[in-house]
Amino acid sequence: DADVTQTPRNRITKTGKRIMLECSQTKGHDRMYWYRQDPGLGLRLIYYSFDVKDINKGEISDGYSVSRQAQAKFSLSLESAIPNQTALYFCATSDLLGTHWNTDTQYFGPGTRLTVL
Amino acid sequence: AQKVTQAQTEISVVEKEDVTLDCVYETRDTTYYLFWYKQPPSGELVFLIRRNSFDEQNEISGRYSWNFQKSTSSFNFTITASQVVDSAVYFCAVNTGNQFYFGTGTSLTVIP
Repeated sequence: DADVTQTPRNRITKTGKRIMLECSQTKGHDRMYWYRQDPGLGLRLIYYSFDVKDINKGEISDGYSVSRQAQAKFSLSLESAIPNQTALYFCATSDLLGTHWNTDTQYFGPGTRLTVL
Repeated sequence: AQKVTQAQTEISVVEKEDVTLDCVYETRDTTYYLFWYKQPPSGELVFLIRRNSFDEQNEISGRYSWNFQKSTSSFNFTITASQVVDSAVYFCAVNTGNQFYFGTGTSLTVIP
């Protein structure tokens, strides 16, 4: 079984609808992340969480919210979806390998392709 | 400010040719990590390598090799004797500040 899973894998929705993307991991990592990928723009960080009680905004958090329900679960919500939120969304996890925070390696889920009409 | 620059948007090579993917990064940290990820047509992101800022030794893993030059802030990736299965988008990333920063990716097509 995959270490990082995302549901749904594909979703088509309409403008104004509320959408939740879910991420679960069995790697036992404390840190979880949500990214979106758009053609030509690479991956951009939406939100990240270093533990269950920690939520931080990333580069492009407007229009999104997150919930860290447990160490293993991190969900991303679009309260009122709009067409420019059409993208490929990735969840990632990482674990602090040393005393310095930036020794993490991120491991990604398979992605959720979201289309907002 | 952009943290990672992958100037090559698309590259096409004929099978068995060598190809180098360029990556230039910027950071003010003295300790940082650099990464390469592969995204095949199926869409998942596959971790390839992590390199810390104190280790400038080149690394080779099979047909893959990485050249880290701190003096030029570059972390280039070479595929030797390319194969069709190497066709993918490759992302370079730096872990600095409190976030990962990814480049915009280089799309590699290996023509049989």
